[in-house]
Amino acid sequence: DAEITQSPRHKITETGRQVTLACHQTWNHNNMFWYRQDLGHGLRLIHYSYGVQDTNKGEVSDGYSVSRSNTEDLPLTLESAASSQTSVYFCASSAARGDTQYFGPGTRLTVL
Amino acid sequence: EDQVTQSPEALRLQEGESSSLNCSYTVSGLRGLFWYRQDPGKGPEFLFTLYSAGEEKEKERLKATLTKKESFLHITAPKPEDSATYLCAVQGPLTGNQFYFGTGTSLTVIP
Repeated sequence: DAEITQSPRHKITETGRQVTLACHQTWNHNNMFWYRQDLGHGLRLIHYSYGVQDTNKGEVSDGYSVSRSNTEDLPLTLESAASSQTSVYFCASSAARGDTQYFGPGTRLTVL
Repeated sequence: EDQVTQSPEALRLQEGESSSLNCSYTVSGLRGLFWYRQDPGKGPEFLFTLYSAGEEKEKERLKATLTKKESFLHITAPKPEDSATYLCAVQGPLTGNQFYFGTGTSLTVIP
């Protein structure tokens, strides 16, 4: 069955370190998204991609970057982790723009 | 700015006690409204998409409806396994093709 996976599921890091969160989907979807989820906020969009070599900033993109070298993967990089980036991160994908998005299981990141 | 508000924030029901969750939105030119279920420690799971006022979708004990200003998720005779957080998201011209999520309603069904 097609799926979307994220790794690691849990990560603890220190302030200032670079961190990369992986997202892999086997749906063969063109569109991929990264969100963060915090108490009191809905899911907020960080970055998204509509295809290979395409990346776009979302609502809360400062301090994050993504690159898309193939259809299946969209890694999220925190250039210099900050305590404010402690959150749960979700990756999602969709077949077409505006289509239903399907979510991965999430990565819980703690920045100390 | 487009807004999505979900109410109540939390809801406790006895098993079998039907109720409704609300998702109100101010986005103009709605292109789609999406309902998701999220269990603790897991990613959101897709439930329904609604596109136009008057539309209804059903799945087991859940029925989603849509008006021009809000959507309701009706839960009929809930069971403990319906306990979860229910999220709604809207998509409109100002959001482009992106989803704008509400903060969710946490539902607890007591046996």
